[in-house]
Amino acid sequence: AQSVTQLGSHVSVSEGALVLLRCNYSSSVPPYLFWYVQYPNQGLQLLLKYTTGATLVKGINGFEAEFKKSETSFHLTKPSAHMSDAAEYFCAVSDPRGGGRRALTFGSGTRLQVQP
Amino acid sequence: GAGVSQSPRYKVAKRGQDVALRCDPISGHVSLFWYQQALGQGPEFLTYFQNEAQLDKSGLPSDRFFAERPEGSVSTLKIQRTQQEDSAVYLCASSLAQQGNSPLHFGNGTRLTVT
Repeated sequence: AQSVTQLGSHVSVSEGALVLLRCNYSSSVPPYLFWYVQYPNQGLQLLLKYTTGATLVKGINGFEAEFKKSETSFHLTKPSAHMSDAAEYFCAVSDPRGGGRRALTFGSGTRLQVQP
Repeated sequence: GAGVSQSPRYKVAKRGQDVALRCDPISGHVSLFWYQQALGQGPEFLTYFQNEAQLDKSGLPSDRFFAERPEGSVSTLKIQRTQQEDSAVYLCASSLAQQGNSPLHFGNGTRLTVT
């Protein structure tokens, strides 16, 4: 079984400020981890993923995330927020065996607001 | 096509009506998933196909929900006798392989409103 907890349903930052979106997971097997972004009235777009290897993962649009096994965390960061980063962000966990319900389990999402 | 295509984008149904939602996955993608996303929530798994075989339907909330992918490409999610609690965005996703590191590509979803 696997689950994802995203702390903070809403996060507001000023343009140019650091973005930090928190994600903690629970999984019975070493998981794969993902961050997706969803813009209004659109589907989800993959930002980045961790499968194996380097624990610091770089994604699109300047985002990165670090897998910390000891903390069961996979927090998403960006050094300097852009107005265009305003969206809903979802952390997701996957069972490496894949398929079915194991494929992706999502958190409840964090809405990022960027203030001018 | 360039991505996963879903139709219609919006559907309004009166309670008790049947609806059919269509998904065209990326060509060649083996795996196809349906998710339900309620307002303000993350997507919740409904069902999974590998080619034409429905391997997991454990997320379907009731026997009013039915999905098929008869030729291993296009998929249809059917909801019979719709209820207000069925109002949500229904997302379809496909992936090239079945392994857990194969990223899912999502369509823009169908927003179903049951009145």
